[in-house]
Amino acid sequence: QKEVEQDPGPLSVPEGAIVSLNCTYSNSAFQYFMWYRQYSRKGPELLMYTYSSGNKEDGRFTAQVDKSSKYISLFIRDSQPSDSATYLCAMSSQGGGNKLTFGTGTQLKVEL
Amino acid sequence: GAVVSQHPSRVICKSGTSVKIECRSLDFQATTMFWYRQFPKQSLMLMATSNEGSKATYEQGVEKDKFLINHASLTLSTLTVTSAHPEDSSFYICSAIAGGPTGETQYFGPGTRLLVL
Repeated sequence: QKEVEQDPGPLSVPEGAIVSLNCTYSNSAFQYFMWYRQYSRKGPELLMYTYSSGNKEDGRFTAQVDKSSKYISLFIRDSQPSDSATYLCAMSSQGGGNKLTFGTGTQLKVEL
Repeated sequence: GAVVSQHPSRVICKSGTSVKIECRSLDFQATTMFWYRQFPKQSLMLMATSNEGSKATYEQGVEKDKFLINHASLTLSTLTVTSAHPEDSSFYICSAIAGGPTGETQYFGPGTRLLVL
C-alpha cells in the first residue's frame, strides 16, 4: 500500500464547475499538507499549505484536512480552463521544508 | 520571490555518457536543496537531499556513485548522472527551501527532461 493515494484521473469538468480533489494517506505522523499544481513539462507550483486539521481558503481554492480520517481535499470554485493541470498532494511529518511524500497527482481538464 | 531555475531544460545524450543538471535559487539562498525524479504518470520520488558544504543524503535505492550531487554554494546544486542508460531517462526536478509566512516551503524548479538513447 502506498503511503499517499490519489486518483490519477483524468477528471474533466465544464468551466465554472466546483472541482473536488482528494488524497488519502496511511502515515499518522504526517502533520503538514500541501497542494501543488503542475502544468505539463513544468515543475510543481505550491498552491496551498496547511498544518494539522482544518480548512484554509485562498481565493478560489479551499484546502481541507481531516486527520481523523487521514483524508485531505482541495476544492476549486468557478473553475477556469487555465486550471487545467495535474494537482499533486504532498505531506510531511516535519514541515514543508523537509522530506515530502507525494501522491501520484490528479489530471484535471476544465473545458469551455 | 523564491524562484528556482534549472539548466538545461532538456537534454538528449548517448548511453554511457554523463550529464550534469544545474539547480539555482535565483533570489534567495538555500542551504538545502532536494532532487526528485518523476517518471510519466507517476509521482515525484525524492532521490537525495543536498546540503551546502556537506555530502548529500541519498534515499534508499538511489546509487550515490551514479547520481553525483554537489552543493558548492548557497545558490547552486548540481546533479550529475554518470554513465547514463536508457532507464535513467526521466524528468528530474530540484527544489530549494525558502522561508515564508507559513514556515519553510519547497519551491520547485521547472525540471530537466533527460532522454538517454
